[in-house]
Amino acid sequence: DSGVTQTPKHLITATGQRVTLRCSPRSGDLSVYWYQQSLDQGLQFLIQYYNGEERAKGNILERFSAQQFPDLHSELNLSSLELGDSALYFCASSAETGGFLNTEAFFGQGTRLTVV
Amino acid sequence: DQQVKQNSPSLSVQEGRISILNCDYTNSMFDYFLWYKKYPAEGPTFLISISSIKDKNEDGRFTVFLNKSAKHLSLHIVPSQPGDSAVYFCAASGGGTSYGKLTFGQGTILTVHP
Repeated sequence: DSGVTQTPKHLITATGQRVTLRCSPRSGDLSVYWYQQSLDQGLQFLIQYYNGEERAKGNILERFSAQQFPDLHSELNLSSLELGDSALYFCASSAETGGFLNTEAFFGQGTRLTVV
Repeated sequence: DQQVKQNSPSLSVQEGRISILNCDYTNSMFDYFLWYKKYPAEGPTFLISISSIKDKNEDGRFTVFLNKSAKHLSLHIVPSQPGDSAVYFCAASGGGTSYGKLTFGQGTILTVHP
């Protein structure tokens, strides 16, 4: 158990809908990262938050947004869903803003999103 | 544009032998490299990392080698055990403020046979 909790574990929804994925980081970790793993793809970085502020951004679609709340949990909002958005979405957390340099980051189990 | 590539989708090894997983990268700004292991229905788990100022880092049965001139790194597992069977991801990170972003390869499925 990495200490990072993601809910829900599985989500099935229709095209055009909007969903929210939730991530609770390890206790004390200030940084939260979101990654997407599509079929046959490695993990693709989406976005990083540190202590409530956006710190780094990857190739995140405009239909996607995220935020980190004062209690440090984070939500990833996916809207106007398309079939191609079906993927595993991982959240990771680390103690520092320095990301994965000299500090280990821990991944949650992921949320499997299926868009039908 | 795949900046980190793991060209072998799968690798099969006998228990007790060496497993060698390879990874190539194209972005010369990458200066920190990591290997993650992933079991089904679990998130990736950190294994070992290496900074570009080194060419080798060891942790128990796991050793990572970095060849900067060839933009190539490899993970050696000696001896391999059936419990090592998993998907292995190579990942890289750039300098400055970019350490929050990891660029992953597609992964290699390692199967260790008893």
